[in-house]
Amino acid sequence: QVQLVQSGAEVKKPGASVMLSCKTSAFTLTNNYIHWVRQAPGQGLEWMGTFSPSGSSAGYAQKFQGRVTMTRDTSTSTVYMDLRSLRPDDTAIYYCARVHCSTSSCYTWFDPWGQGTLVTVSS
Amino acid sequence: SYEVAQPPSVSVSPGQTAIIPCSGDHLGNKYVSWYQQKPGQSPMLVIYEDAKRPSGIPERFSASNSVHTATLTIRGTQALDEADYYCQTWDSSTAIFGGGTKLTVL
Repeated sequence: QVQLVQSGAEVKKPGASVMLSCKTSAFTLTNNYIHWVRQAPGQGLEWMGTFSPSGSSAGYAQKFQGRVTMTRDTSTSTVYMDLRSLRPDDTAIYYCARVHCSTSSCYTWFDPWGQGTLVTVSS
Repeated sequence: SYEVAQPPSVSVSPGQTAIIPCSGDHLGNKYVSWYQQKPGQSPMLVIYEDAKRPSGIPERFSASNSVHTATLTIRGTQALDEADYYCQTWDSSTAIFGGGTKLTVL
């Protein structure tokens, strides 16, 4: 079944970087967008960005531009997100989620979601 | 930047109808999705394209979107519907989430 399985929890110091992974199954990355959404403790959902199905481009929320890079490895069906210069307020659960594309257009909803990865930034 | 607003909380008695609004400028011109999130779980899609239910979502979940407000309606609310609910839309290729509404079933 369509599934996104994320890497395990991370603990980082301020200023460090973290790379998270999202392994997909039962669908191809070449016709699906994988997005990253985070949720700080007790807070709402915040969209971070996405990597295009073609593999040629990424689109990031303005807040994260210059600090985030999203990549993919089609051979392992895995998408990665690298977040640099971590701050304590980057402490959050990070989710990957799929937006499916048909031959003519992409859908407008996220389904399914990964189980989330907790990133804790603390000195 | 575009924003959508939700009330922080809504309370409902079991068996009654819960109504969760999501407001934004000309939101009716955009597609809205709704997600349910229970404590310790990932968000789960309950409504897409304003009013469509994915397979497996009970018929008591319905939604609409018009002018400036999208609305999620849960009829015959059950205790297991207690969760946070988020509306979501798009603006200039950016996903926009509402702040979330905590539904309490009293």
